[in-house]
Amino acid sequence: EPEVTQTPSHQVTQMGQEVILRCVPISNHLYFYWYRQILGQKVEFLVSFYNNEISEKSEIFDDQFSVERPDGSNFTLKIRSTKLEDSAMYFCASSEGTVQPQHFGDGTRLSIL
Amino acid sequence: RKEVEQDPGPFNVPEGATVAFNCTYSNSASQSFFWYRQDCRKEPKLLMSVYSSGNEDGRFTAQLNRASQYISLLIRDSKLSDSATYLCVVNRNNQGGKLIFGQGTELSVKP
Repeated sequence: EPEVTQTPSHQVTQMGQEVILRCVPISNHLYFYWYRQILGQKVEFLVSFYNNEISEKSEIFDDQFSVERPDGSNFTLKIRSTKLEDSAMYFCASSEGTVQPQHFGDGTRLSIL
Repeated sequence: RKEVEQDPGPFNVPEGATVAFNCTYSNSASQSFFWYRQDCRKEPKLLMSVYSSGNEDGRFTAQLNRASQYISLLIRDSKLSDSATYLCVVNRNNQGGKLIFGQGTELSVKP
C-alpha cells in the first residue's frame, strides 16, 4: 500500500537554527499538509498546499515557517529560526482531494535545545 | 467551546467488550468526518470515514447526526490490539482540506 514517508525520524537542533523537514507524499495525491503535535496535546493543523501554493494556513504558521515542493516528489517544511516551543512531532499528510481522507507519514520528532 | 470535543478517557475494558465513543463538533459548516486511531507517539491512522447514513467496517460502526452535530464510534468484541487513542476528526472542506482534531479518547483493552 502506498504511504507517506518522512525524514528524518528525529531531529535535534539548537534554538535559533534552521531546520528542514522532508516528506514524500503518496504519488497520485494532489493535496499536501503539515500538522504538528506537541507532547500530550492534540494534533494541530499548520498548512495545506495545492498546485504549488498555500491553500490555508493556521495562526501557528507564522513568518518563521515556509513550505516548498522543490521537485515532483518532495514536500518540505522549513522553520527559519527555531524556538523551544517548536519542539513537537511534525506530521506530513496527503490526499487526493479536500474531501478524501488524509494519509499521514510516521512523523519527525523535532527537539529544540 | 472546543471545535471538536470527545469523551474524556481513558476507557478500560475487558477483551470482548463493546465500547462506544462520542464526539460533538461546533461548526455546522463541517462536511467530512473521520475516525482515526493513534498509537503511542505514532502517526494518526485512518480508521474510517463517517457518512450520514452510518457505516460499518467489521467490528466498527460509525454514526453521524448532522442535526445534533454528533459523531459516534462503536467497537464490538474489542481486542487487545484495539488499545489506542481514538481521534474524532472534522473537515470543513472549504478551508483547503484543514482537518480539526479532537483531543482523543484513550482505550485500553485488558485480557
